[in-house]
Amino acid sequence: AQKVTQAQTEISVVEKEDVTLDCVYETRDTTYYLFWYKQPPSGELVFLIRRNSFDEQNEISGRYSWNFQKSTSSFNFTITASQVVDSAVYFCALRTRREHSGGGADGLTFGKGTHLIIQP
Amino acid sequence: DSGVTQTPKHLITATGQRVTLRCSPRSGDLSVYWYQQSLDQGLQFLIQYYNGEERAKGNILERFSAQQFPDLHSELNLSSLELGDSALYFCASSVGGASGGGQETQYFGPGTRLLVL
Repeated sequence: AQKVTQAQTEISVVEKEDVTLDCVYETRDTTYYLFWYKQPPSGELVFLIRRNSFDEQNEISGRYSWNFQKSTSSFNFTITASQVVDSAVYFCALRTRREHSGGGADGLTFGKGTHLIIQP
Repeated sequence: DSGVTQTPKHLITATGQRVTLRCSPRSGDLSVYWYQQSLDQGLQFLIQYYNGEERAKGNILERFSAQQFPDLHSELNLSSLELGDSALYFCASSVGGASGGGQETQYFGPGTRLLVL
């Protein structure tokens, strides 16, 4: 079975601080895809990034960066110089190819989310 | 705006009733997914349709069913509703979803908030 753990339930920082959201995943499959989504107070789920299991390159997009480490099964997300608008719940998610049960793919398996509060 | 639309935005109903949630995928997307977000269970995958056919099933209750129509919109039917079915129901879509996939990004709609009283 696959699993995503976001151990930090809530993080509160002051604006302009850097903050890292942790994500640890478990899967038996060798081909898988990792995602981060943002859920602002308005409720919608906004896609942030997708990473394939065979591509361990870290990625930076503006103030956002992602650190993928297969050795520790982690896909952490860092926001640099945080802003109040970054306040939201952030979800890490996993999707695998069903290598052990007929191929295809299931839906996303989400972590419980980290509620990030950026105080002015 | 993801391009995925869901109606209605809010729904209030009573236990034992039946409701239908509707989703229109992004233009060109063939796959539709349904998810349930509740305080107890978090975000859970319910079911996926690809080009009108059921492709994958998650933790969907027998009281729930879905379908995807020829114009690719999808409906999620919830029947014999219980208090515990109160949740935010998301629809997502992606370009493909045929067997061997998994890499497509799923884009989510704004959700339908269901309250069962």
